Order: sequence, then structure tokens, then C-alpha cells
Amino acid sequence: SQQGEEDPQALSIQEGENATMNCSYKTSINNLQWYRQNSGRGLVHLILIRSNEREKHSGRLRVTLDTSKKSSSLLITASRAADTASYFCATLTGTASKLTFGTGTRLQVTL
Amino acid sequence: GAVVSQHPSWVICKSGTSVKIECRSLDFQATTMFWYRQFPKQSLMLMATSNEGSKATYEQGVEKDKFLINHASLTLSTLTVTSAHPEDSSFYICSARDGQFGYTFGSGTRLTVV
Repeated sequence: SQQGEEDPQALSIQEGENATMNCSYKTSINNLQWYRQNSGRGLVHLILIRSNEREKHSGRLRVTLDTSKKSSSLLITASRAADTASYFCATLTGTASKLTFGTGTRLQVTL
Repeated sequence: GAVVSQHPSWVICKSGTSVKIECRSLDFQATTMFWYRQFPKQSLMLMATSNEGSKATYEQGVEKDKFLINHASLTLSTLTVTSAHPEDSSFYICSARDGQFGYTFGSGTRLTVV
């Protein structure tokens, strides 16, 4: 079963704007990861944040984690048309090595 | 970086036939690989965890006799969809652990059963 929900389900913005996606999950986690998927393709790992971290940056990406609210957000700054894709959060819990994915956000960046 | 090769990228088969999908870790050894299924505009649903040299662990609701998984070496896991039917049409993606927390995904296989 899926660990959590993401919102919005779909997001359409113009190039240069920032895009924010949110992920909520249900159980305690070891870490939370964000992935990107271009249409009909595999997943690309973007960033990982551990349960004892609150914020992490990587280039134009900023991820926050609030374990008290069981939520995370992914911010993409200065978006580009090439950022158009689906974005998924995934959690790693307990001793299990399997990732559980959220429902995903489809991002459309227009020129 | 770690690379996982998945083959074929797409396949069309007739109802009742079987299809094999391969997942290879190219530059690292993967004792554990994962198989996911994804319906259009939906998330990835874990089907099974493939363990090198032992039986796969299937998620609840996944028919192990229908989705045969073999992980005979540290670099190769295969998923065979047996007696495929149109409802098995989907996008199948594998992934492999490439470190303590790292997961690398294949590019996926689109299966269409006609």
C-alpha cells in the first residue's frame, strides 16, 4: 500500500516561477527521498533527507522535513520547461529496505 | 554513478503467452532488487523484493505464480509475466540498492497484452 499522499496532484506554472509539492506520510521513517519521472521513463533520484534532518538543498531543489507533522515539501526554484515531469516522494521505514511511494505530483512548466 | 539496465523497454504480446523482463545492475552488485508496477498517471506499487540466491518476497495481493521472479546472480533479476492477459498491461519498473540508502531505477518496460 502507498505510504502517503502528495499534493497537489497536478501543478502548472510558467518558466521562472517556483514550484512547491507536498508529501505526507503515515508511519515513522528512516529517511524520505524525492524522485523525478519523465513520462514513460524510469525514476531519477533527486534528493534524500534523513529523519533527523529538517532541510536540505541541492542546486535549485530545497527539501524540508517535519517529522512531527509527518510531511515533507519539495521546492524547485526558477523552474524550467525541462523540469516538466512527475515527482514522487518515497519513504524508507524500519528495517525494511523497500521504498514506499507517494501518489505523485505532475508538474507542467510552460514557456 | 550506479546504472540499472532494464530490457526490453516495450513489448507487445498475445494473450496467454509469457513475457520475461530483465533487470541488470551494470557497475555494481545488487543482492536485492525490487519490481514495481505502475498504471497510467498513478504511483509505483511494489510487487516484490527479489533476493539473490533465494525466493522473492511478494507483496500482499501479488500472485507469485503469475509474476515469477528469478535473481540468480548479483547483477541480474528477471520478472516473467506468465499467461499474460490484457489486465496485465502496465509499466513495470525495477530498481536495485546501490548502497545503504541509494536506489537506482531501470528505465521501465511497457507491456501491452493484446
